[in-house]
Amino acid sequence: DQQVKQNSPSLSVQEGRISILNCDYTNSMFDYFLWYKKYPAEGPTFLISISSIKDKNEDGRFTVFLNKSAKHLSLHIVPSQPGDSAVYFCAATYSGNTPLVFGKGTRLSVIA
Amino acid sequence: DSGVTQTPKHLITATGQRVTLRCSPRSGDLSVYWYQQSLDQGLQFLIQYYNGEERAKGNILERFSAQQFPDLHSELNLSSLELGDSALYFCASSVEGPIYGYTFGSGTRLTVV
Repeated sequence: DQQVKQNSPSLSVQEGRISILNCDYTNSMFDYFLWYKKYPAEGPTFLISISSIKDKNEDGRFTVFLNKSAKHLSLHIVPSQPGDSAVYFCAATYSGNTPLVFGKGTRLSVIA
Repeated sequence: DSGVTQTPKHLITATGQRVTLRCSPRSGDLSVYWYQQSLDQGLQFLIQYYNGEERAKGNILERFSAQQFPDLHSELNLSSLELGDSALYFCASSVEGPIYGYTFGSGTRLTVV
C-alpha cells in the first residue's frame, strides 16, 4: 500500500529549463511534506519541506507547491542545472512525529 | 560527511547467514531510523529508536531486529538471510521529530548470494 506515490520514475530536462517533479499521497492525515535528493553512493539529503498550513514554500531555485484537496505536491526547480541530476524522493509525516513515508523516487537528468 | 556513520559500506554474505549493520548518529541526535531500499523500491521504513527505546516499527521482518545502545549508536541485525534481503540499508538520525529533517548515512549495501 503506497501512501506516497511518485508516478514518474524518470524525467529528463534541458539545462536552464524548469524541472517539475510530482508526488501524490493517499493518507489525509499527512501534514508535513519533505523532498530529499540522492546522489549515487550517498545517502539522501534534505532539500525543502512544506507544512500543510501553507500551499507554497520557496528556497532559492527550489519551490514546493502543495494542493491539499488533490493530495498532490510538486517540486519546481528553476533554472535546472546539470548538478541537479539525482534521484528525488518525496516524503510525508503526520503529527510531526511519525517516521517519514517515502515515495519510490524520480530520477532527474538535466542535460547540458 | 553528513555526521551519520554507517559501517560496513558493503557486505556480501551467503543465504542463511546473519549480519550486523552499525550506525552512529549525528552528535546530539537522539532518534535513529532504519530504512531499506530494494531495487525499484522507495525507502521502506523498518524501525525507529529514540534515546535507547523502540519508538516505532514499520515493515520489519521477524528475522530482523535492532537496538540502540546507551552511547546512542544503533545496530540492525539481519538473520537467516535470503536473496531478497539484498538491498541498501540506510540509517538516519534526527534531533527531534522528522519535520526537522533526517540526516542520512551513506548506507550499507548488502548482497546475499
